[in-house]
Amino acid sequence: DAGVIQSPRHEVTEMGQEVTLRCKLISGHNSLFWYRQTMMRGLELLIYFNNNVPIDDSGMPEDRFSAKMPNASFSTLKIQPSEPRDSAVYFCASSSAGANTGELFFGEGSRLTVL
Amino acid sequence: GQSLEQPSEVTAVEGAIVQINCTYQTSGFYGLSWYQQHDGGAPTFLSYNALDGLEETGRFSSFLSRSDSYGYLLLQELQMKDSASYFCAEGKLIFGQGTELSVKP
Repeated sequence: DAGVIQSPRHEVTEMGQEVTLRCKLISGHNSLFWYRQTMMRGLELLIYFNNNVPIDDSGMPEDRFSAKMPNASFSTLKIQPSEPRDSAVYFCASSSAGANTGELFFGEGSRLTVL
Repeated sequence: GQSLEQPSEVTAVEGAIVQINCTYQTSGFYGLSWYQQHDGGAPTFLSYNALDGLEETGRFSSFLSRSDSYGYLLLQELQMKDSASYFCAEGKLIFGQGTELSVKP
C-alpha cells in the first residue's frame, strides 16, 4: 500500500494567493483528518471527515480555510487568500477506526510558506 | 478546556531507559495514543491505551491510569535513532505539545 499521499510537499507563495493542498487516503480507510503543525501551536486538528462527511471543523481558523472530500479517497484543503501566519506544515492522516480509537496514518506533510 | 501536558524535552544516554509523562484534561476521554516524529517528518503511531495498565511493544511500553488522568511512554535500551519528538494524544483529535528526546552517546 502506498500510504497517505500529500501534494505538494513544499509550497512557497505570496500573501493573497490561493493555496490548495491535496491528500489521497489509504484505500479502505473511511476517516480523514487535516492537521496543522507550527512551533508555537504544535499539532492542531483543523477538520475531520468520516465517510466523506465533515464531522468537526471547529479547528478551522477562519473562513479563509475550506476543506472538501469529493470522493472516498481524496481531499483538498484550500486557503484563500493566504496570509504569512498560515505558514506551517499541513498534515493529512487517515484511519479506518473513526476519531476516538486506533491508529492514524499520516502523510509526509505539505510545508507551506506564505511571504 | 481540553489539554494534554508533557515535558518539552528530555535527554538520556544510549542504552538507558527513559519515561515520558503525559497528563490530560479532556472530556469524553477514550484512550491515550503515542506518536513519534523525526525532524518534522510524518508522525508515526507507537501505541494506544484504552484501558488502565501497561502495553508493551518491543522496546517501547505505554501506561495509562484513568483515575489519575495520567499516562507515560517508556523507552528501553535507548538507541541514537530514538532521538525524535514524542506526542501523546487523546484519540486522534487533541495532541500534546510534544517531548523532544535527545539520545546522547
